[in-house]
Amino acid sequence: GQQLNQSPQSMFIQEGEDVSMNCTSSSIFNTWLWYKQDPGEGPVLLIALYKAGELTSNGRLTAQFGITRKDSFLNISASIPSDVGIYFCAGPHSGGGADGLTFGKGTHLIIQP
Amino acid sequence: KAGVTQTPRYLIKTRGQQVTLSCSPISGHRSVSWYQQTPGQGLQFLFEYFSETQRNKGNFPGRFSGRQFSNSRSEMNVSTLELGDSALYLCASSSGQGRTEAFFGQGTRLTVV
Repeated sequence: GQQLNQSPQSMFIQEGEDVSMNCTSSSIFNTWLWYKQDPGEGPVLLIALYKAGELTSNGRLTAQFGITRKDSFLNISASIPSDVGIYFCAGPHSGGGADGLTFGKGTHLIIQP
Repeated sequence: KAGVTQTPRYLIKTRGQQVTLSCSPISGHRSVSWYQQTPGQGLQFLFEYFSETQRNKGNFPGRFSGRQFSNSRSEMNVSTLELGDSALYLCASSSGQGRTEAFFGQGTRLTVV
């Protein structure tokens, strides 16, 4: 089946630093979604990407849909304490439609004061 | 607009029992998907319902089942509970019509003892 590989697994950064994480797949995806999950809560959708090469921003977050359609990147600028959490990339199983999402294992972001 | 509501938030059950979890999607959304989240396996897709019909199913045993009602509310049932079924069960709501973005509830934390 389709697998999404996220890296890094964990990030320890200082407040104010920029963050970069990525997600790769051996299969082509037509959609990339980025979520953030806080402890004990459900994932919250941050950014949705639908077009190869697309670059989309949401406040301090920027995500890009890789040109090969097999990868995506998420950047966070000037990190703040509330950015702490687990970031997941996700894509639809069969490349389109609402038939279930495949998730990466997540990147744990830890911010040191 | 109200978000996705899952009940109950927490459950403790004994091995061999069965359990029913409930999910109310965002108003107007007709697709409901269910996911299991565990530390070892991450987020895994269980099944998806659209207009009361199961459209897709993940790789879980038949003990896991679901249904959707005419008002789009959904329930999932797990029979003959095993210790390994302890997990956070997440429900996601989407329009189900060409858009892949899924919005998650807070989840139900199931503990099997």
